[in-house]
Amino acid sequence: SAVISQKPSRDICQRGTSLTIQCQVDSQVTMMFWYRQQPGQSLTLIATANQGSEATYESGFVIDKFPISRPNLTFSTLTVSNMSPEDSSIYLCSVPGANYGYTFGSGTRLTVV
Amino acid sequence: RKEVEQDPGPFNVPEGATVAFNCTYSNSASQSFFWYRQDCRKEPKLLMSVYSSGNEDGRFTAQLNRASQYISLLIRDSKLSDSATYLCVAGDSGYALNFGKGTSLLVTP
Repeated sequence: SAVISQKPSRDICQRGTSLTIQCQVDSQVTMMFWYRQQPGQSLTLIATANQGSEATYESGFVIDKFPISRPNLTFSTLTVSNMSPEDSSIYLCSVPGANYGYTFGSGTRLTVV
Repeated sequence: RKEVEQDPGPFNVPEGATVAFNCTYSNSASQSFFWYRQDCRKEPKLLMSVYSSGNEDGRFTAQLNRASQYISLLIRDSKLSDSATYLCVAGDSGYALNFGKGTSLLVTP
């Protein structure tokens, strides 16, 4: 299955600022996904990043708040914009893997103060 | 109503015990099913896919009941290293995955 390098692994940010999270995959993949896991909660899909087209956002998530780039088939970024403490969460990228399972990046643990 | 529901636990079991986790999913159109394992402060990792015919991988057995929209995971001969959170997952035709909140397992000596 694919190997994903996700950066940064953690960050503490001031409210009102923005953070860009990067995911690099060691193979070409058509679809990449961005999830959020809030403390004590399940993973929630933010958006699907498709190369060559705009990302598809799930209900409750908007492009202005979570802009996504997908410049090629191995790389994607998610930006958390104008952060507030409610954005404190773990953010994970994911790609389809073998046996229809999905592989996740190691996650970015974000704390907004 | 949450799409995938599972008992959060925690399940505290002694080493060597057999433990079963259950979950239900609400979307009858779900087409793929998985159990993931998530260790503290780590990303989820695929434990096994779940098929209608049931599947077994060593000490782990997964079952799917489409009629009841019910998924189970059985762990036999529990090891200390099995302590983790187990996430039940149902996927739809559009590749999106719906995760349960997870069931915590603690295996004690």
